[in-house]
Amino acid sequence: AQSVTQLGSHVSVSEGALVLLRCNYSSSVPPYLFWYVQYPNQGLQLLLKYTSAATLVKGINGFEAEFKKSETSFHLTKPSAHMSDAAEYFCAVSEGDGGSQGNLIFGKGTKLSVKP
Amino acid sequence: DTGVSQDPRHKITKRGQNVTFRCDPISEHNRLYWYRQTLGQGPEFLTYFQNEAQLEKSRLLSDRFSAERPKGSFSTLEIQRTEQGDSAMYLCASSLGPVTELFFGEGSRLTVL
Repeated sequence: AQSVTQLGSHVSVSEGALVLLRCNYSSSVPPYLFWYVQYPNQGLQLLLKYTSAATLVKGINGFEAEFKKSETSFHLTKPSAHMSDAAEYFCAVSEGDGGSQGNLIFGKGTKLSVKP
Repeated sequence: DTGVSQDPRHKITKRGQNVTFRCDPISEHNRLYWYRQTLGQGPEFLTYFQNEAQLEKSRLLSDRFSAERPKGSFSTLEIQRTEQGDSAMYLCASSLGPVTELFFGEGSRLTVL
């Protein structure tokens, strides 16, 4: 069965500092991996996705993530945090090409706080 | 706005009552998903449709829950005899085919007193 583990339920950084949100996955088939962001009282918005092409994936708002098969990781980074990045971030996994329904399995989320 | 819309956004009900949520997906999307999200947790998969066919149901979807997508367009999620443990945010998402981006609505928050 597929699963996602997000290390750290809460991460706090200073404005301008590096953002690193950790995600490890478990999948018996080549995975597709996603990062979503959720602002308060809003739905989830896709930041970026990995679908077996380039291992370094660039997303919106300056975020990027690197797929590392050997480490079963898909950590999310941003070189310089902005106050508007404060939100909750979810990592998700889906069965890759040839998989079944394509529904996503989500991690528990990491709440990012940005200090001025 | 042509995104996924959900109605109502908030619902407060008494234990034992029935509630129904509606989801209107993005018009050309043939897949529609329901998720549940409780405080401090990520979204948990409930069920999904391809067109009007319900193709999978999670173990989380007890007999009190029923979902329909009668004409392959909008979907409804009904909870019968609500319990306090049903209090959660119910999220709907749609996609164009499998393993593509899921577009989420803003959710319907259920509070069972």
